[in-house]
Amino acid sequence: DAGITQSPRYKITETGRQVTLMCHQTWSHSYMFWYRQDLGHGLRLIYYSAAADITDKGEVPDGYVVSRSKTENFPLTLESATRSQTSVYFCASSTNSGKGEQFFGPGTRLTVL
Amino acid sequence: GENVEQHPSTLSVQEGDSAVIKCTYSDSASNYFPWYKQELGKRPQLIIDIRSNVGEKKDQRIAVTLNKTAKHFSLHITETQPEDSAVYFCAASKAGGSYIPTFGRGTSLIVHP
Repeated sequence: DAGITQSPRYKITETGRQVTLMCHQTWSHSYMFWYRQDLGHGLRLIYYSAAADITDKGEVPDGYVVSRSKTENFPLTLESATRSQTSVYFCASSTNSGKGEQFFGPGTRLTVL
Repeated sequence: GENVEQHPSTLSVQEGDSAVIKCTYSDSASNYFPWYKQELGKRPQLIIDIRSNVGEKKDQRIAVTLNKTAKHFSLHITETQPEDSAVYFCAASKAGGSYIPTFGRGTSLIVHP
């Protein structure tokens, strides 16, 4: 869906470097989410945000930082990347209507060497 | 918190056969159960969902059933086609707050022509 985008789509970095993954949505959805997807683990929630300036931890938050100063943007930062953070990262958004459907971005494939 | 178990992890069928994927959940307060389909290299997309006040929902060749007493729900795909080959994720969430879903680990469905 063109309404939610992620950048970069692919990223290779080295252990210890800081990396920021960007997520932008044009629907003005209240909720935004970051997931990581690894083989055998499905989709695991890292952080989510219910509105601008409101964020909360998910299942696997360690090593990640998020912010949400504007409704449309939800960047995810790896402060000091580790090899275990090699993964595919999906951003998602949903409305505040309570329907529950999540709309996923195209994903970012991150490799930490 | 909520725990969602999904089985099988891999399902191989012949074109035209039916496929069934099953999920169980632990939190009896969960009341929204979406299913997402993720084709290779693509983002997850919602294909069908069901709420706890409904026992079954159909959309053409796919259907979802819900047994609240047993706390399990299933995805049924009839007359499978090669384009049904994908990873399918179930999820469970509940009203109150942000409808944050807990995902199962996924089922890789392979439809052989």
